[in-house]
Amino acid sequence: NAGVMQNPRHLVRRRGQEARLRCSPMKGHSHVYWYRQLPEEGLKFMVYLQKENIIDESGMPKERFSAEFPKEGPSILRIQQVVRGDSAAYFCASSPRRWGNTEAFFGQGTRLTVV
Amino acid sequence: AQKITQTQPGMFVQEKEAVTLDCTYDTSDPSYGLFWYKQPSSGEMIFLIYQGSYDQQNATEGRYSLNFQKARKSANLVISASQLGDSAMYFCAMREGYILNNAGNMLTFGGGTRLMVKP
Repeated sequence: NAGVMQNPRHLVRRRGQEARLRCSPMKGHSHVYWYRQLPEEGLKFMVYLQKENIIDESGMPKERFSAEFPKEGPSILRIQQVVRGDSAAYFCASSPRRWGNTEAFFGQGTRLTVV
Repeated sequence: AQKITQTQPGMFVQEKEAVTLDCTYDTSDPSYGLFWYKQPSSGEMIFLIYQGSYDQQNATEGRYSLNFQKARKSANLVISASQLGDSAMYFCAMREGYILNNAGNMLTFGGGTRLMVKP
């Protein structure tokens, strides 16, 4: 039973390029959450999605960031025109329903470096 | 005000001894959950233990136990018999609100405590 899968594990982009981060939830999970971790800090919530719907994007920057979770395929976090400040670890978590008590499992993260 | 506060940026513990990592939280919601995660140097987030606000007993999972003091709004993690592999960052997190409303969507994390186990 595979856990939450994120790829790539490491991603290097030049300033101005686009970054696409993928998250495949655990089997049977239809709820996905994205978090960002800046160096030496805790994780900060970005967005919560169900299949084909964005439920809560209160933590998402208004510009350049978007997320989707299509009916088929992984959830995608997209960052357009990346800047150095976007360098961080991006984590995805999934659950079978709205965040329950113990379904709090994260993927291994994607470490984005903007050069 | 910070919702989750971890006051110990770094701690040392001798191998085989017990250690307590502090976490205090701030919420006016009667329904909430508290989580602890371990983040080793490899970077992944490993779920350790969960405590619900209505749980009558302190949560335990193997060598991990949560010292939940609701009136003081603290949820300290106790690791018994420390092992070298316990060296990592530890994060306390809180989920507020009942799961049927949007408030329960996110976890709020503290700044973490770096634990170093000495041989």
